[in-house]
Amino acid sequence: GNSVTQMEGPVTLSEEAFLTINCTYTATGYPSLFWYVQYPGEGLQLLLKATKADDKGSNKGFEATYRKETTSFHLEKGSVQVSDSAVYFCALTNSGAGSYQLTFGKGTKLSVIP
Amino acid sequence: EAGVVQSPRYKIIEKKQPVAFWCNPISGHNTLYWYRQNLGQGPELLIRYENEEAVDDSQLPKDRFSAERLKGVDSTLKIQPAELGDSAVYLCASSGGLAGRYEQYFGPGTRLTVT
Repeated sequence: GNSVTQMEGPVTLSEEAFLTINCTYTATGYPSLFWYVQYPGEGLQLLLKATKADDKGSNKGFEATYRKETTSFHLEKGSVQVSDSAVYFCALTNSGAGSYQLTFGKGTKLSVIP
Repeated sequence: EAGVVQSPRYKIIEKKQPVAFWCNPISGHNTLYWYRQNLGQGPELLIRYENEEAVDDSQLPKDRFSAERLKGVDSTLKIQPAELGDSAVYLCASSGGLAGRYEQYFGPGTRLTVT
């Protein structure tokens, strides 16, 4: 079946530091990959996505590249801000298997300190 | 454009009591999802609707959980009777329209505490 593994948190960084949150997946066929962000007290928001190998998703300074050879979709940002403090979820859907169900990782909590 | 609306935001009940959650998806979105998010975990799908039809309810505990989506718009998720282990955040999401099925939009969730 499908599964997503992401690095455990919490992660604490100083403002303007470089961020990497690792994500690897297991899926048959050709999954689509996503990063969702959950700010305190809010629902999940789609941050970025990639639907095929070598695609790069980007939004708000965050980037992730769909690497089929390493089954990875690591999230990066060059300079984090306090406002980036949130929980980040890596997820996939496997439309090739006939399902649009999202399979999520456990989430990584990021805290950015001034 | 209004997002996915859920109510209530918080609910505290005693075990064995019934509880219901309501969701209004984004206008024009035909697909509606209910997820459960346990503390420190990612959301897990409970049920998916295509219009008014439940097309994937394999992970819905049918002995105590039920859901409906009358007229293919709003949806209600019910638990009867609730157990201590049902304490979680219940998330509703919808997809469709121009973004298609790839992008699911989530509501703020209902945080259920069973005492």
